Amino acid sequence: DADVTQTPRNRITKTGKRIMLECSQTKGHDRMYWYRQDPGLGLRLIYYSFDVKDINKGEISDGYSVSRQAQAKFSLSLESAIPNQTALYFCATQRPQLTNYGYTFGSGTRLTVV
Amino acid sequence: RKEVEQDPGPFNVPEGATVAFNCTYSNSASQSFFWYRQDCRKEPKLLMSVYSSGNEDGRFTAQLNRASQYISLLIRDSKLSDSATYLCVVNSDYKLSFGAGTTVTVRA
Repeated sequence: DADVTQTPRNRITKTGKRIMLECSQTKGHDRMYWYRQDPGLGLRLIYYSFDVKDINKGEISDGYSVSRQAQAKFSLSLESAIPNQTALYFCATQRPQLTNYGYTFGSGTRLTVV
Repeated sequence: RKEVEQDPGPFNVPEGATVAFNCTYSNSASQSFFWYRQDCRKEPKLLMSVYSSGNEDGRFTAQLNRASQYISLLIRDSKLSDSATYLCVVNSDYKLSFGAGTTVTVRA
């Protein structure tokens, strides 16, 4: 099993629908992140969480919300999806207190809003 | 200004060639630096960390210049399997900031 699992892998949804992207990890890492990737823009941070009671907005949080249900689970919701939220979404985890340690990414969720 | 900027390329090189590219970052307080590799819109994977003294990992050499705020990656003896997008990544305040990537294509 993958260390960081994202579901679904692909999703097509209609404008205005609510959708949840899920992320779970088996690495025991406290820190979890949600990024989106668009062509030519790189990965941009949506939300991040350093532990179960800690939620922080990233640079592009508008239109998104998150829930950290447990150390291992971090979900991203689009309350009312719009076409410009079509993107590749990645969840990532990071080992705490080791800033020289990179991320472990999930395989991504390809979301299309029509 | 973007936090991390990279030349998008593409760099098209023959097998066996050396290819090098840089990225620049804007936050002088950045703490750590990485190169990630991404294939065909799959998840990014850590290629190597970048240390102040420079470091090598096989055919890959990374350099950091804090004074000028740039990071470089050099690939020697390029293989077909090196074809990918290379992401420059900077850690500031416990969050990673990503460049948009440099695409490298190695041809036979």
